[in-house]
Amino acid sequence: DAKTTQPPSMDCAEGRAANLPCNHSTISGNEYVYWYRQIHSQGPQYIIHGLKNNETNEMASLIITEDRKSSTLILPHATLRDTAVYYCIVRVEGTNAGKSTFGDGTTLTVKP
Amino acid sequence: GAVVSQHPSRVICKSGTSVKIECRSLDFQATTMFWYRQFPKKSLMLMATSNEGSKATYEQGVEKDKFLINHASLTLSTLTVTSAHPEDSSFYICSALPGPGRQTQYFGPGTRLLVL
Repeated sequence: DAKTTQPPSMDCAEGRAANLPCNHSTISGNEYVYWYRQIHSQGPQYIIHGLKNNETNEMASLIITEDRKSSTLILPHATLRDTAVYYCIVRVEGTNAGKSTFGDGTTLTVKP
Repeated sequence: GAVVSQHPSRVICKSGTSVKIECRSLDFQATTMFWYRQFPKKSLMLMATSNEGSKATYEQGVEKDKFLINHASLTLSTLTVTSAHPEDSSFYICSALPGPGRQTQYFGPGTRLLVL
């Protein structure tokens, strides 16, 4: 699976959009981009995933660059409860699809 | 949405005892489950992959005789930490994959193990 690079930490004001970047320059054509987050002392929570098109769900939006070498997770109106470690993961489909390699992630702190 | 539970949520045990952690998929059948451990302020480290009805595949450096994994049904996988020692104290997290070809993992809430 391709390696990802994320900034170690970011701050965001409550109510503002949080934009979390992820670099995955060695991503292969059949690898998806996944985002999870982990609130302190809990298991990771699935947020969103995509292959090459931008995606949106009730939690967030995922913007993937045309060359697919980077992506941005957008939380449109961050709340204090969005404070967590956010992990960007890339992996292929198939029998090993679930074998995710978690990097260090980005610690997002939403401030009042 | 898909829900994965773990039991117990936290356990304290004496050194030398064995501890069993259960991971259940509550509203879906999981052909594949994964076990991770996480140290404080560190990322998740994959320990092993288990497929229902077959032996688990362990990651390099993980002792299979130390961490026994059983995936006897499509909704239950267990991790047994045998002869636990203080260095086994950690946060153990399982995840489940709903089916072949499905990509999205759903994670349990984790089990915090403290070995005295």
